[in-house]
Amino acid sequence: EPEVTQTPSHQVTQMGQEVILRCVPISNHLYFYWYRQILGQKVEFLVSFYNNEISEKSEIFDDQFSVERPDGSNFTLKIRSTKLEDSAMYFCASSVETVYGYTFGSGTRLTVV
Amino acid sequence: DQQVKQNSPSLSVQEGRISILNCDYTNSMFDYFLWYKKYPAEGPTFLISISSIKDKNEDGRFTVFLNKSAKHLSLHIVPSQPGDSAVYFCAATTNTNAGKSTFGDGTTLTVKP
Repeated sequence: EPEVTQTPSHQVTQMGQEVILRCVPISNHLYFYWYRQILGQKVEFLVSFYNNEISEKSEIFDDQFSVERPDGSNFTLKIRSTKLEDSAMYFCASSVETVYGYTFGSGTRLTVV
Repeated sequence: DQQVKQNSPSLSVQEGRISILNCDYTNSMFDYFLWYKKYPAEGPTFLISISSIKDKNEDGRFTVFLNKSAKHLSLHIVPSQPGDSAVYFCAATTNTNAGKSTFGDGTTLTVKP
């Protein structure tokens, strides 16, 4: 069964450093997403991406965050200057249509120290 | 503002019995609802969805019921199996902002053999 692949599975970074979280969505999917889950909290929407541009973003997704689909297969989330409160599990997802269920990756656990 | 609420953090049922997971929402603009299952160290897995034009959708052991007037949906699992033990999230979205799903807090289901 097709999978969404995320790397790395765990990333530790110093506060103020830039991090790039990588995702390979399912190849025939057109819509891409990043969600995050802070430990003990709910899964929160960050951003959706379609046709090479952001289609929707949450208030969490401020100027420190950016997304890119650099080569037609990868989908990346960049955090420019990490804060302690950015520590969370970051999930990439993709879908054929927006109202269909997404396929999520296994997540990247980001720890900011 | 918690637009999607799962008021029961946990539920325990005996194998073979019915599991009923509940979800309430406040935003009347939501018109598509989804249930996801999540195991530890994995991303959410899409289970079943329902459009607001329906009041029931069934897929094997899983049935989702929607009561629009009460802004309430439920997921029924019959019969419950130990492998169903996981965290279950309901999520809601709108056709106009379909790239963004709002998740509930999740309910941890434990199915005892």
